[in-house]
Amino acid sequence: AQSVTQPDIHITVSEGASLELRCNYSYGATPYLFWYVQSPGQGLQLLLKYFSGDTLVQGIKGFEAEFKRSQSSFNLRKPSVHWSDAAEYFCAVGRPGGGNKLTFGTGTQLKVEL
Amino acid sequence: EPEVTQTPSHQVTQMGQEVILRCVPISNHLYFYWYRQILGQKVEFLVSFYNNEISEKSEIFDDQFSVERPDGSNFTLKIRSTKLEDSAMYFCASSDEGIQPQHFGDGTRLSIL
Repeated sequence: AQSVTQPDIHITVSEGASLELRCNYSYGATPYLFWYVQSPGQGLQLLLKYFSGDTLVQGIKGFEAEFKRSQSSFNLRKPSVHWSDAAEYFCAVGRPGGGNKLTFGTGTQLKVEL
Repeated sequence: EPEVTQTPSHQVTQMGQEVILRCVPISNHLYFYWYRQILGQKVEFLVSFYNNEISEKSEIFDDQFSVERPDGSNFTLKIRSTKLEDSAMYFCASSDEGIQPQHFGDGTRLSIL
């Protein structure tokens, strides 16, 4: 069965500082990997995705993530955080192919100090 | 950019009543999903739907739940005889053929009293 672990429940960073949110997954082969962001009262917005190929993927809002097969990780990074990045971030894993369910991690709540 | 729309944004229902949550997926998408998020917990898969039938469902999706695509644009989740523990945010999502990612709506907050 596929699973996702986000070890950090809450993270606080200062505006302008760099950010790394951790995500580890469990899956028998190379899964599809996603990061979604959820602002309060809002739905889930896709930040970026990894299906295959280059292990460093770029997303929206200046975010990037790196797939490391050896560590079963897909950590999200941003070089300089903005106050508007404060939100909850979810890592998700899916079985390759279309129409398959996503399994989400428990999320990391990001707080940005001005 | 096309988006998934869900109505209502908030639904309050008495325990034991039936509720229908509505979704309009992105128009050219073929796969449809429902997920739920109990307050403070992670997003959980409920069901996926393709070609007018359920393609996968979780253990949460028991006989109390049903889904339907009544016409070419709507996708609904019906919960019969609601329980207090059904209180959650329910998200609809859709995706295109192949390996396209799922696009989520803003959710319906369901409160069971």
